[in-house]
Amino acid sequence: AQTVTQSQPEMSVQEAETVTLSCTYDTSESDYYLFWYKQPPSRQMILVIRQEAYKQQNATENRFSVNFQKAAKSFSLKISDSQLGDAAMYFCAYASPNTGNQFYFGTGTSLTVIP
Amino acid sequence: SQTIHQWPATLVQPVGSPLSLECTVEGTSNPNLYWYRQAAGRGLQLLFYSVGIGQISSEVPQNLSASRPQDRQFILSSKKLLLSDSGFYLCARSYGPGYTFGSGTRLTVV
Repeated sequence: AQTVTQSQPEMSVQEAETVTLSCTYDTSESDYYLFWYKQPPSRQMILVIRQEAYKQQNATENRFSVNFQKAAKSFSLKISDSQLGDAAMYFCAYASPNTGNQFYFGTGTSLTVIP
Repeated sequence: SQTIHQWPATLVQPVGSPLSLECTVEGTSNPNLYWYRQAAGRGLQLLFYSVGIGQISSEVPQNLSASRPQDRQFILSSKKLLLSDSGFYLCARSYGPGYTFGSGTRLTVV
């Protein structure tokens, strides 16, 4: 079974600094996708970034980037120049077309941004 | 557009009362649809998913049920709510290799 593990329940970062959120996963599939979702206090789930497993290049979206280590099954999220609006719960997620693209979520990391 | 409409946004129900949460989606036909629950301070737990009309798979046996009467409609129900049913309920659809989420329903059972 696919599992997604986020070992950091809470993290904090100073405004304008950089923070890295960790995620590991377990799968026997070769074709899959990894995601980071942000859930602010409004509870709306917002896609932050997506990585296709077949791509070696790490995905980047503005201040957000990932470190995808396929062999180690690691998928960390780096937030650069942290802003107050980045404060939220962050969920790592896995999906594979071989399992109907059903999502498997980690338990989340609560990020606090300190002004 | 792959928009998901979910209502109500907030609901307070007494123990033992019935429940019906509705989710409707726009966009491509025959979407895969999902119901998730998020307890306070916890991750997302998959409750049900549906790959088509009348097709429901349950991930966690519990006090809830789901139905898909129409292609773009997914309903979460309960005949008698329990206190433990309180939480935040999210409807989602898969869209290619991604998910689109509804805005959620916060259910408080009192």
